[in-house]
Amino acid sequence: QVQLQESGPGLVKPSETLSLTCAVSGYSISSGYYWGWIRQPPGKGLEWIGSIYHSGSTYYNPSLKSRVTISVDTSKNQFSLKLSSVTAADTAVYYCARDVQGRHDYWGQGTLVTVSS
Amino acid sequence: QSVLTQPPSVSEAPRQRVTISCSGSSSNIGNNAVNWYQQLPGKAPKLLIYYDDLLPSGVSDRFSGSKSGTSASLAISGLQSEDEADYYCAAWDDRLNGHVFGGGTKLTVL
Repeated sequence: QVQLQESGPGLVKPSETLSLTCAVSGYSISSGYYWGWIRQPPGKGLEWIGSIYHSGSTYYNPSLKSRVTISVDTSKNQFSLKLSSVTAADTAVYYCARDVQGRHDYWGQGTLVTVSS
Repeated sequence: QSVLTQPPSVSEAPRQRVTISCSGSSSNIGNNAVNWYQQLPGKAPKLLIYYDDLLPSGVSDRFSGSKSGTSASLAISGLQSEDEADYYCAAWDDRLNGHVFGGGTKLTVL
């Protein structure tokens, strides 16, 4: 069974960089598929942030592209998200998910990141 | 403002049938597969329907999906209290070159 688990700081100061990691078990990232990040502000809907292939190829939400970097570490079977220059508007639950032919079929439980001084 | 448009809420009585609509454009629903996700309170989203009308293994056949042109629908029959959740449609958008979601629909089982 494929499982994903997000980890990282739950509190980030404004203007700093948000960093999260998603550890994957039950499936080798090197075997294929894309791996993505999606976020959900409190009480609001889902927003796709970006995705990465095991080779390192990425695609990002145009509205966030200037601030987002997604990377993959196949040796640790994990992938990571960095979001720079955060503001309160970036406060959200961040999910990682497997991206299979346009659908997100396995999701992590999510991690709440609050941007506040 | 979401790229895909869903009604904010729907409600229906137990054992009845409800549909949730999702409206898009030629760059997303009109040209790509639609997926639906169910998000129970406090939980991560779960894939409910993919490729417009296919059910992942383990999903009840009370759920069904359909698509026509630039709109899609999710139908839930035999409503149960445990179906109370937020439902999201999603699709790839060729113009934005990324995934887009609807704003979500909160289902209340009366």
